[in-house]
Amino acid sequence: DAGVIQSPRHEVTEMGQEVTLRCKPISGHNSLFWYRQTMMRGLELLIYFNNNVPIDDSGMPEDRFSAKMPNASFSTLKIQPSEPRDSAVYFCASSHTSDASTDTQYFGPGTRLTVL
Amino acid sequence: GQNIDQPTEMTATEGAIVQINCTYQTSGFNGLFWYQQHAGEAPTFLSYNVLDGLEEKGRFSSFLSRSKGYSYLLLKELQMKDSASYLCAVWDSNYQLIWGAGTKLIIKP
Repeated sequence: DAGVIQSPRHEVTEMGQEVTLRCKPISGHNSLFWYRQTMMRGLELLIYFNNNVPIDDSGMPEDRFSAKMPNASFSTLKIQPSEPRDSAVYFCASSHTSDASTDTQYFGPGTRLTVL
Repeated sequence: GQNIDQPTEMTATEGAIVQINCTYQTSGFNGLFWYQQHAGEAPTFLSYNVLDGLEEKGRFSSFLSRSKGYSYLLLKELQMKDSASYLCAVWDSNYQLIWGAGTKLIIKP
């Protein structure tokens, strides 16, 4: 399996621009998670989907952030407009949720976002 | 509130043994994970404990005491490549994964 795929790996943009991060989960996984990681705040859960439905978006910082999962193999995280404080590494993770499994989350390589 | 505590940083010598502790206070408990994260890379799964006791996997072992809200990760025969951050995460009663801030482990020759 190719693992969780994220694109782009690096993104540098200017304040006010729209940023779209993309994620392809592991085939067969039915839960998808978007995280943000910074030195100051560590790993923060932004939102997670189960069977393509957003379950908990309480971690989304504000209305500038939105996430979609149109199908089981693709998700996007959009920031519009972006601000310098959004600079961080954004990870996507997926897992297979079932009563019998450990629901281990497998992480993608991350997107390093820099907003100037 | 929900809280997970880990030491910020630890230093150990190549070939030695190190124990990284994790204490948690969460609303319920459905399991505890340990992840390893090398600098600039994604977290990778190391272990999962849901019952009390020790789980051994090669050079790495993870221990859990639910009554004490305590876990540790034991790394034996340390190698330079073990230099990384180690993240403790707990599933609460709602199956929300609560993450610790991570312990940066520095291995010296």
